[in-house]
Amino acid sequence: AQTVTQSQPEMSVQEAETVTLSCTYDTSESDYYLFWYKQPPSRQMILVIRQEAYKQQNATENRFSVNFQKAAKSFSLKISDSQLGDAAMYFCAYRTEGFSGNTPLVFGKGTRLSVIA
Amino acid sequence: NAGVTQTPKFRVLKTGQSMTLLCAQDMNHEYMYWYRQDPGMGLRLIHYSVGEGTTAKGEVPDGYNVSRLKKQNFLLGLESAAPSQTSVYFCASSYGKDEGYQETQYFGPGTRLLVL
Repeated sequence: AQTVTQSQPEMSVQEAETVTLSCTYDTSESDYYLFWYKQPPSRQMILVIRQEAYKQQNATENRFSVNFQKAAKSFSLKISDSQLGDAAMYFCAYRTEGFSGNTPLVFGKGTRLSVIA
Repeated sequence: NAGVTQTPKFRVLKTGQSMTLLCAQDMNHEYMYWYRQDPGMGLRLIHYSVGEGTTAKGEVPDGYNVSRLKKQNFLLGLESAAPSQTSVYFCASSYGKDEGYQETQYFGPGTRLLVL
């Protein structure tokens, strides 16, 4: 079974600084998708960024970027110019392509990010 | 466009009581999912559906039943609630395989359930 590991239960960063959240996963599949979701205190799950495994180029979304290392099965999230609104729980998630297409997500346990003013 | 909605937002049950959580989506998504979130555990899949009238078990299905009678609705039932089912429940939906942009799952706001 696929597993997703987030080894940092908590992280903190100074406002305007850069922080990197780690994620590793275990799979024997070659086609899959990786995601980072943000969960603020409101509990709403918000998609931050996604990466297709067949793409070598790292995904970027404004201040958020990933470092995808397929051979190492690593998928870290970098947040640049951190803002107070970035404070949240961040979840790394994995999904295979699957025979039927869209298969359920497998989540890591999360990393709680604090932003210090 | 409301996206994914969940009813109720919060509920307190006594052990042995039953209840149904309702998930509704207005994006015409083919696939729907129920997850539970416990402290320190991340989100775990309970059941999911790949189309109207079809359901499948996820990682932690015991004690739950589901139904997908209409494409836009996905119901999660607890027949006899137990304290171990105290959790936050999230519903999500996504497009199917042949519906174009498919990778992303859209989540509802969650239902907090407390079983005493």
